[in-house]
Amino acid sequence: DAKTTQPTSMDCAEGRAANLPCNHSTISGNEYVYWYRQIHSQGPQYIIHGLKNNETNEMASLIITEDRKSSTLILPHATLRDTAVYYCIVGAAGNKLTFGGGTRVLVKP
Amino acid sequence: DGGITQSPKYLFRKEGQNVTLSCEQNLNHDAMYWYRQDPGQGLRLIYYSQIVNDFQKGDIAEGYSVSREKKESFPLTVTSAQKNPTAFYLCASSVIREKRNGYTFGSGTRLTVV
Repeated sequence: DAKTTQPTSMDCAEGRAANLPCNHSTISGNEYVYWYRQIHSQGPQYIIHGLKNNETNEMASLIITEDRKSSTLILPHATLRDTAVYYCIVGAAGNKLTFGGGTRVLVKP
Repeated sequence: DGGITQSPKYLFRKEGQNVTLSCEQNLNHDAMYWYRQDPGQGLRLIYYSQIVNDFQKGDIAEGYSVSREKKESFPLTVTSAQKNPTAFYLCASSVIREKRNGYTFGSGTRLTVV
């Protein structure tokens, strides 16, 4: 499985957009980009995933570069409840996923 | 509602005892996974199974064992051979053949060995 690189932590102001970057320069053609988040002491929660095209759902948007070597998760209007660790993972559909350290996001009032 | 259930939420055991963590899903998912998480760390894969009666080792399988006798169930046994078993254990499941969202996670079991 391809590996990902994320910043260790970032702060965001409540109500503003949070842009979380992820590098995955060794991604293979059949591998998806998945984003999960984990609030303290809970199981990770699926946010969004994509292959090549940008994706949007009720939680977030995912922007994938044309060469697919990096992506950005966008939380359009961060709330205090968005404080969590965000994991960017790449993997083929249905295959085991390898979780890195993630980005610890703190949303401040 | 469909989901994945881990039990118990908290578990205390004495050193040297084997302990089994339960994971059940009613999502009709093909694959199931066990991860371990230590404080402030990411998730590390222990075992996974893509089909009944078959499973593969993950990155840190030593000291653990699993079984997959039913599609819905994937119990994890933490044996006395596991040197540092105190951790947060997460179970997940996924569909294999469809290009859908990845994993559904349980709420975890926090194991403390004293």
